Amino acid sequence: QITLKESGPTLVKPTQTLTLTCTLSGFSLTTSGMGVGWIRQPPGKALEWLAFIYWDDTKRYSPSLKSRLTITKDTSKNQVVLTMTDMDPVDTATYSCAIQLTGDGYFDLWGRGTLVTVSS
Amino acid sequence: SYVLTQPPSVSVAPGKTARISCGGHNIDNYRVHWYQQKPGQAPVLVIYHNNDRPSGIPERFSGSNSGNTATLTISRVEAGDEADYYCQVWDSGGDHVVFGGGTKLTVL
Repeated sequence: QITLKESGPTLVKPTQTLTLTCTLSGFSLTTSGMGVGWIRQPPGKALEWLAFIYWDDTKRYSPSLKSRLTITKDTSKNQVVLTMTDMDPVDTATYSCAIQLTGDGYFDLWGRGTLVTVSS
Repeated sequence: SYVLTQPPSVSVAPGKTARISCGGHNIDNYRVHWYQQKPGQAPVLVIYHNNDRPSGIPERFSGSNSGNTATLTISRVEAGDEADYYCQVWDSGGDHVVFGGGTKLTVL
């Protein structure tokens, strides 16, 4: 059974850097073709894609947020980490990771997400 | 960058057919994927590659893609289908993911 679980702080202050971890179980980050993405959803609003990393360490970022985002993976821990700098209250959202099992453009499975509030 | 446009809401009576549109310039050049999200839950893939259903998704869910509009069709709608639905493509030109704004399906 494949599962994804997000972890990280629930509250960050404006201007701080957010670091979130996605822990993958039941599937290896080294599997050829696969990838993991991060998506966020402000309360009551739509999904917004943030970043994506492939099994071969190729990375892709949202054009509008690229300057603030870094995505990395730790294959020894089967984890994907997202950092977002210079947090602002408008970044308050549920942050979720999701997996593409075959890298075929769609997300097969999502984590439950973690709510991050940005407030002083 | 590429934009996907969905109606904010669609209403349908139980047992009827719901159609949720996803508009984009020459969207038929893309493979469109659809997710269902119920309140407080993670999104679930219901259609991929325009009209393929993942294992476990009822045959009542189908998709189409032509011209500038992709459509998610839900036949014989049930109360349990009430949810937000999002379309998504992978914009190969920019090599990034695009989501539509989401449609709230209400079962009357």
